[in-house]
Amino acid sequence: DSGVTQTPKHLITATGQRVTLRCSPRSGDLSVYWYQQSLDQGLQFLIQYYNGEERAKGNILERFSAQQFPDLHSELNLSSLELGDSALYFCASSPGQARFGELFFGEGSRLTVL
Amino acid sequence: DQQVKQNSPSLSVQEGRISILNCDYTNSMFDYFLWYKKYPAEGPTFLISISSIKDKNEDGRFTVFLNKSAKHLSLHIVPSQPGDSAVYFCAASARVDNAGNMLTFGGGTRLMVKP
Repeated sequence: DSGVTQTPKHLITATGQRVTLRCSPRSGDLSVYWYQQSLDQGLQFLIQYYNGEERAKGNILERFSAQQFPDLHSELNLSSLELGDSALYFCASSPGQARFGELFFGEGSRLTVL
Repeated sequence: DQQVKQNSPSLSVQEGRISILNCDYTNSMFDYFLWYKKYPAEGPTFLISISSIKDKNEDGRFTVFLNKSAKHLSLHIVPSQPGDSAVYFCAASARVDNAGNMLTFGGGTRLMVKP
């Protein structure tokens, strides 16, 4: 158990809909990261927050947005969903910026768009 | 443009033998490299890392080698055990101006260790 909690674990929705994925980082971790893993693909970095502020941004679509709240939990919002958005979405956390440290990953939220 | 590539999608080895997983990168700004292991229905877990100032880092049965001139790193597992069967991801980190951390992952290699 990494200590990172993601909900929901599974989500099935239709094209055009909007969903919110939630992540609670390990206790004390200030950084939260979101990654997307499509079928048989590597993990694609989406976005990082550190203590409530956006710190790094990857190839995150404009239809996607995220935020980190004062209690340090984070939400990833996916809107106008398309079939290609079906993927595993991982949240990870680290104590600080983790430039040279490991990330602790949650079990992921599997999104299926029909 | 895949900056981190794991060209072998899968690898099968016999228990007790050596497993060698390879990773190539293209971005010369990468200066820290990590390996993660992922079991089904679980998130990736950190395995071992190496800084670009080193060419080798060892932790028990796991050793990572870095060849900067070739932009290549490899993970050696000796001896391989059935419990090592998992997907292994190579990841790389580069300094970014805002001090954020954007780990770039390879596509993964599925290792199967046969008893």
